[in-house]
Amino acid sequence: NAGVTQTPKFRVLKTGQSMTLLCAQDMNHEYMYWYRQDPGMGLRLIHYSVGEGTTAKGEVPDGYNVSRLKKQNFLLGLESAAPSQTSVYFCASSLDGSGRDTFGSGTRLTVV
Amino acid sequence: EDKVVQSPLSLVVHEGDTVTLNCSYEVTNFRSLLWYKQEKKAPTFLFMLTSSGIEKKSGRLSSILDKKELSSILNITATQTGDSAIYLCAVCLGSNYQLIWGAGTKLIIKP
Repeated sequence: NAGVTQTPKFRVLKTGQSMTLLCAQDMNHEYMYWYRQDPGMGLRLIHYSVGEGTTAKGEVPDGYNVSRLKKQNFLLGLESAAPSQTSVYFCASSLDGSGRDTFGSGTRLTVV
Repeated sequence: EDKVVQSPLSLVVHEGDTVTLNCSYEVTNFRSLLWYKQEKKAPTFLFMLTSSGIEKKSGRLSSILDKKELSSILNITATQTGDSAIYLCAVCLGSNYQLIWGAGTKLIIKP
């Protein structure tokens, strides 16, 4: 049982480049989330999904897009990366949106 | 604006000490309060506290929710070096099930 798997684990981008982060869960969870974690600021919600085919904006959605075409996958896209998007990105999922989330191991993204 | 504030931001104690971590919140629609432990990578779930379950305990860790004071504490007794981590507090909103996170308390346990 893999839980929540994020790929890639590390990435360096140049300003203006695009990329997609992939999150996959094998627990049949309905809810999925993308967070960013910056030093001293805790976790901030970027986008989330309450089920296959649905997405919604979180606290800091600007510069990011998401898609959830299949229940088990939640993709986070950066169309034109900026240095302000340098961060650690976490994907999480939960069965019922209760807050008891299972997290992936994170993606460390650096934009230069 | 919904917010969650944790204190202290960092804490250094010796093995065997007891520590108390604090979390206070101001939110418009409270559903539950959660504690997570973050070591090197992913946060892992510790406790969930709701209006119907204001105290939880697991081994040396325990947590209490004070709905009147809009706060919670996480206690760790007989600390061990393996307790060194960042402890995160989050509040789940009833309106949209989103979590609002505190900045965390970095706990260091010295041998």
